[in-house]
Amino acid sequence: QQQVKQSPQSLIVQKGGISIINCAYENTAFDYFPWYQQFPGKGPALLIAIRPDVSEKKEGRFTISFNKSAKQFSLHIMDSQPGDSATYFCAADQTGANNLFFGTGTRLTVIP
Amino acid sequence: NAGVTQTPKFQVLKTGQSMTLQCAQDMNHEYMSWYRQDPGMGLRLIHYSVGAGITDQGEVPNGYNVSRSTTEDFPLRLLSAAPSQTSVYFCASSQTPYRDGNTIYFGEGSWLTVV
Repeated sequence: QQQVKQSPQSLIVQKGGISIINCAYENTAFDYFPWYQQFPGKGPALLIAIRPDVSEKKEGRFTISFNKSAKQFSLHIMDSQPGDSATYFCAADQTGANNLFFGTGTRLTVIP
Repeated sequence: NAGVTQTPKFQVLKTGQSMTLQCAQDMNHEYMSWYRQDPGMGLRLIHYSVGAGITDQGEVPNGYNVSRSTTEDFPLRLLSAAPSQTSVYFCASSQTPYRDGNTIYFGEGSWLTVV
């Protein structure tokens, strides 16, 4: 059973456009929600993370929006660039669990 | 600045063979873990350790063993390889807890094929 559901599976965006990736979870004990970026042949790298006490977190062109009541969170990439082409994973865990549950990934392609 | 180093990068095994994936980190991190990545499944936690001498099971531990005799090393052993263990394996490390500013660093992965 997938603890974190992620969509879409793949996404194609024009350069300069907005990329939006969505995730949903059921476990209300989750209290940490990171996003990871993975380039081909490399390991995932932390992009941005949020705690449920805030509804939005922004770092440069990357923004996490968090809806606690809907148990959903999303990644917005503004002004998408070809260099953003990668696979993005959302994840979630709870304090003390030491088990980060990952979504299934979204393969983003930004067309020049 | 090595970070998290995994070896080997690629390996082909026959069903029933055993092998060890090596993982080493030079950041003095307490937390280390192994994940496997399969198409359409994301990354799933196999085993983790919060310090030398301490290991615990993750989401998919069956068929794998780990040990943590030093802070730096966290090898993953496949006892009797099965085709279902064909996957990409990632080792990761972090200060504990791995949140609130403590990033999990992943290695570059080990591609394992079991035939």
